[in-house]
Amino acid sequence: AQSVTQPDIHITVSEGASLELRCNYSYGATPYLFWYVQSPGQGLQLLLKYFSGDTLVQGIKGFEAEFKRSQSSFNLRKPSVHWSDAAEYFCAVGATNKLIFGTGTLLAVQP
Amino acid sequence: GAGVSQTPSNKVTEKGKYVELRCDPISGHTALYWYRQSLGQGPEFLIYFQGTGAADDSGLPNDRFFAVRPEGSVSTLKIQRTERGDSAVYLCASSLSGRENTEAFFGQGTRLTVV
Repeated sequence: AQSVTQPDIHITVSEGASLELRCNYSYGATPYLFWYVQSPGQGLQLLLKYFSGDTLVQGIKGFEAEFKRSQSSFNLRKPSVHWSDAAEYFCAVGATNKLIFGTGTLLAVQP
Repeated sequence: GAGVSQTPSNKVTEKGKYVELRCDPISGHTALYWYRQSLGQGPEFLIYFQGTGAADDSGLPNDRFFAVRPEGSVSTLKIQRTERGDSAVYLCASSLSGRENTEAFFGQGTRLTVV
């Protein structure tokens, strides 16, 4: 069955530190992969997506993600976190007629 | 409008009552989705419309839930005989097509609380 796993429920990083949020997927074919961010009281905003081609994809707000087929992973990274990055992050895989989301990782940023 | 609009933003209802949640998708988007997000969880798929028809309603939890999109634009999610377990944020999304590689744009959601 198709699924997405985000192993880290909650992560705290210091402002200016690097960030990596983990995502593992289970999908039979070549996956379409997405990262969304959800700030309090806001809807989901797309950060980046992978469909094919270059396995390192760039997104908005300085985020990037790397697709690794051998590890079934699509981890999100940012070299230097800003306080405004505090939010919940969701990884998702595109399936027939829907997106399948992970349970999310809540990011806290310490000053 | 510029984005997906959902009304109301908050709804408190008593157990057993009927509620309607509205979604205005981005103009020109033929695909429309409803998701439900419970506390501490990711969004879970409920139903997908392509145009006026419900192409996939496999995520609706039971027959108390129903959704319509009569003119292929605005959609209404209807919940009968609400239960406390229905309390969640209901998210609507739209996209240009229903293909797996098409970006979906989400509204801010309706927070439903059943007391």
